[in-house]
Amino acid sequence: DQQVKQNSPSLSVQEGRISILNCDYTNSMFDYFLWYKKYPAEGPTFLISISSIKDKNEDGRFTVFLNKSAKHLSLHIVPSQPGDSAVYFCAASGGSQGNLIFGKGTKLSVKP
Amino acid sequence: EAGVAQSPRYKIIEKRQSVAFWCNPISGHATLYWYQQILGQGPKLLIQFQNNGVVDDSQLPKDRFSAERLKGVDSTLKIQPAKLEDSAVYLCASSVSSGRYEQYFGPGTRLTVT
Repeated sequence: DQQVKQNSPSLSVQEGRISILNCDYTNSMFDYFLWYKKYPAEGPTFLISISSIKDKNEDGRFTVFLNKSAKHLSLHIVPSQPGDSAVYFCAASGGSQGNLIFGKGTKLSVKP
Repeated sequence: EAGVAQSPRYKIIEKRQSVAFWCNPISGHATLYWYQQILGQGPKLLIQFQNNGVVDDSQLPKDRFSAERLKGVDSTLKIQPAKLEDSAVYLCASSVSSGRYEQYFGPGTRLTVT
């Protein structure tokens, strides 16, 4: 039973355009959400997070939107750059211990 | 600041053999995590340590997997005996403490069981 779902295994975007990566969750107890980025042969690196008390968080070219009623969050990258090509994981947490539940990831390809 | 170190980077073993992975977290980080990432899946938490105590090992297959974090610093994860389905990347992560703190991941150990 997947509690965090990333339904698009891959996404291809032209350089300079917007990339939108989507994530859905099922557990109402989740109150903290994160996006991680992973390059081949490296561990995931933290990108951006959002608490359930907010509906938007912005950091440079990266913005995460949270729609609690729909149990949906999205990551917007504007403008997309070839160096953004990586696998993006959505993760959620609902406990005080900080345990993360990850989605399966979306592979983003940004074409020059 | 040095990142999370893991070794070995790659390991190939036959089924029923044993294997051990080592992790050195970022200095001063109290919380250490071991994740299993099977190809095409996201990382799945196996065990979480706070200092040298276990916080959560609910998803650790305890009949074959064991982990320890002596002195609250380095950690080892062992599989004995290995099965074909244990083929995965084993990721170690650390954070300042439990809770809403950024987790820093190591490069992982890719295990292939033949």
